[in-house]
Amino acid sequence: QKEVEQNSGPLSVPEGAIASLNCTYSDRGSQSFFWYRQYSGKSPELIMFIYSNGDKEDGRFTAQLNKASQYVSLLIRDSQPSDSATYLCAVNILGGGGGNKLTFGTGTQLKVEL
Amino acid sequence: SAVISQKPSRDICQRGTSLTIQCQVDSQVTMMFWYRQQPGQSLTLIATANQGSEATYESGFVIDKFPISRPNLTFSTLTVSNMSPEDSSIYLCSVNAGFSLNEQFFGPGTRLTVL
Repeated sequence: QKEVEQNSGPLSVPEGAIASLNCTYSDRGSQSFFWYRQYSGKSPELIMFIYSNGDKEDGRFTAQLNKASQYVSLLIRDSQPSDSATYLCAVNILGGGGGNKLTFGTGTQLKVEL
Repeated sequence: SAVISQKPSRDICQRGTSLTIQCQVDSQVTMMFWYRQQPGQSLTLIATANQGSEATYESGFVIDKFPISRPNLTFSTLTVSNMSPEDSSIYLCSVNAGFSLNEQFFGPGTRLTVL
C-alpha cells in the first residue's frame, strides 16, 4: 500500500465549477498535510497546509482534513484555466526520526476547460 | 517564505561524469532537503542536509552516489556521481520556513539529462 495515494486524473472541470481533489494516507501518525501546485516544467508551489481536523479556507481554496478516515482534500472554487496544473498532496510524519520529511503522492492532474 | 535559488538550472552530462548542484537560500534555515523528480513521477526525498554533520539519506540513496555538503545555514550542494542515463531527472532543494517553520518551500530545480 502506498503511503500517500491520489487519483492521477486527469480531472476535468468546466471553468467556474468546483474542483475536488482527494488524498488518502496510510500512517496514522501523520501530523501535517500540504497541497502543492506544480505547473509543467516548474517546481512545486505550496498553496495550502492544514494541521487540524476540519476545514481551512484561503481565498478560493479550502483544505479539508479527516484524521479518523485518513484523508485530506482540496477544493478549488470558481475554477479558472490558470488552475490547470498537477496538484501534489504531501504528508509529514513527526517523531520516530521523521523530522520534517514529506512524503508525496503521485499527484492529480487538473484541467479546467473553457 | 524563503527565496531559494539553484545552480545550474539545467545541464546535459556524459555518462560516468559527476555534477554538483548548488542551493542558496536568502535567509538562515534549519532544515534543507534534496529531492528527485523523475520524468512523469512525483517527488522522492534523497536526503536531509544537516549543517555541521553528515546528511541523512533515505532508503535507496547512498552517500557515495549523492554526496551532500551543508557548510552553513544558507547553502547546500548535492553531487550526482558517476552518472548514468537513469539519473536523468529534476533535482530540487527545499527548506523549512514559514510562520511555524513547518512549511516546506522548493527551489526552481535543476533539470539533468545524462547521455
